[in-house]
Amino acid sequence: DTGVSQDPRHKITKRGQNVTFRCDPISEHNRLYWYRQTLGQGPEFLTYFQNEAQLEKSRLLSDRFSAERPKGSFSTLEIQRTEQGDSAMYLCASSISGGYAGELFFGEGSRLTVL
Amino acid sequence: GENVEQHPSTLSVQEGDSAVIKCTYSDSASNYFPWYKQELGKRPQLIIDIRSNVGEKKDQRIAVTLNKTAKHFSLHITETQPEDSAVYFCAARWIQGGSEKLVFGKGTKLTVNP
Repeated sequence: DTGVSQDPRHKITKRGQNVTFRCDPISEHNRLYWYRQTLGQGPEFLTYFQNEAQLEKSRLLSDRFSAERPKGSFSTLEIQRTEQGDSAMYLCASSISGGYAGELFFGEGSRLTVL
Repeated sequence: GENVEQHPSTLSVQEGDSAVIKCTYSDSASNYFPWYKQELGKRPQLIIDIRSNVGEKKDQRIAVTLNKTAKHFSLHITETQPEDSAVYFCAARWIQGGSEKLVFGKGTKLTVNP
């Protein structure tokens, strides 16, 4: 499968713990996005990378959230001191820039449950 | 700020009927409008998209229309089938500075009754 892959698919943690999610985009895609989705809602933008540069981070994102894409390939999303309100599906998506590009290819998501 | 409104939030139709979902967007500079289908427990997948240089696009039973003046676009599904049952999301591309992203609506849960 050469699509976007995310790991882990499910994570259950206790409040106050740190969690990290990994995303491996489609290999030739230079753009990578993290979105959060809660039940009954559309994907909500968190952050965007072009190659290794983080070009935008949502104003709604607290300082407990950090994302990296060190070599312009895979990315990690870390949530520190998790809260129950962080429970959601975290979706990674990738795309390619240039021309008529625009389609986002989503991974299956990492579901976080904070107890 | 960027915003996409989507209606209705739920839609129930009989098999064979048509379904229409409508979205409005806030940024007149948006130039790309995709529609994604998400089945329960699955990833969102693109089903059709339209760019701002055209007013309508069709792909078999699915069509999308765009009215740039009014800043709204719609998804039309004809001859609906039970396998069309899913949540559908519209989105608009938001470009600001060196960044661009898709801003999504809240979704429409479509149920096609056999």
